[in-house]
Amino acid sequence: EAQVTQNPRYLITVTGKKLTVTCSQNMNHEYMSWYRQDPGLGLRQIYYSMNVEVTDKGDVPEGYKVSRKEKRNFPLILESPSPNQTSLYFCASSPFSPSSYNEQFFGPGTRLTVL
Amino acid sequence: DAKTTQPNSMESNEEEPVHLPCNHSTISGTDYIHWYRQLPSQGPEYVIHGLTSNVNNRMASLAIAEDRKSSTLILHRATLRDAAVYYCILRDGNQGGKLIFGQGTELSVKP
Repeated sequence: EAQVTQNPRYLITVTGKKLTVTCSQNMNHEYMSWYRQDPGLGLRQIYYSMNVEVTDKGDVPEGYKVSRKEKRNFPLILESPSPNQTSLYFCASSPFSPSSYNEQFFGPGTRLTVL
Repeated sequence: DAKTTQPNSMESNEEEPVHLPCNHSTISGTDYIHWYRQLPSQGPEYVIHGLTSNVNNRMASLAIAEDRKSSTLILHRATLRDAAVYYCILRDGNQGGKLIFGQGTELSVKP
């Protein structure tokens, strides 16, 4: 089944403790992206990647890192989480083309709480 | 970056058509207009997209103004399962496909 998976789905952690949220897709998509969703703010893009070893900042990249060493994986890294990073996180992927008409497939979400 | 503006909420009756508006007055020529929806406790899912011409698919229709400064998502017969937050999104082909989400419209459907 074609899908985007995220792990963990739920995570409670403490300020400053490094964590990684994994994202994997099995559709051979070039484009992958991370979003955070907060009440009243909708979805905001954190980072995106157009292909292996190619990443770029979205609208809210501060406090986050990403890597794209393999096409299928796009982990989100919080080196020193803070309470303002408590949020619902979504990973997404799509085939990439310059005409940008491709549907994005979203993962089920990771709910992160930083105490 | 071009932005989108949507009403915060709308109501509809079941089996009636719904017109969800979106303003994007600063849209550029390379921006595609995408619509996604998010059902409760789920990730967003694709609904439809277009560039200049009106588009139809099994889920909905997309009407794009001639000047492209606004668009309307049309659900022809709303069902209770269509209750969701609908996002109007611009996707810029010249910036690597960067997505710009609007605030979204929360659609409620009454039986």
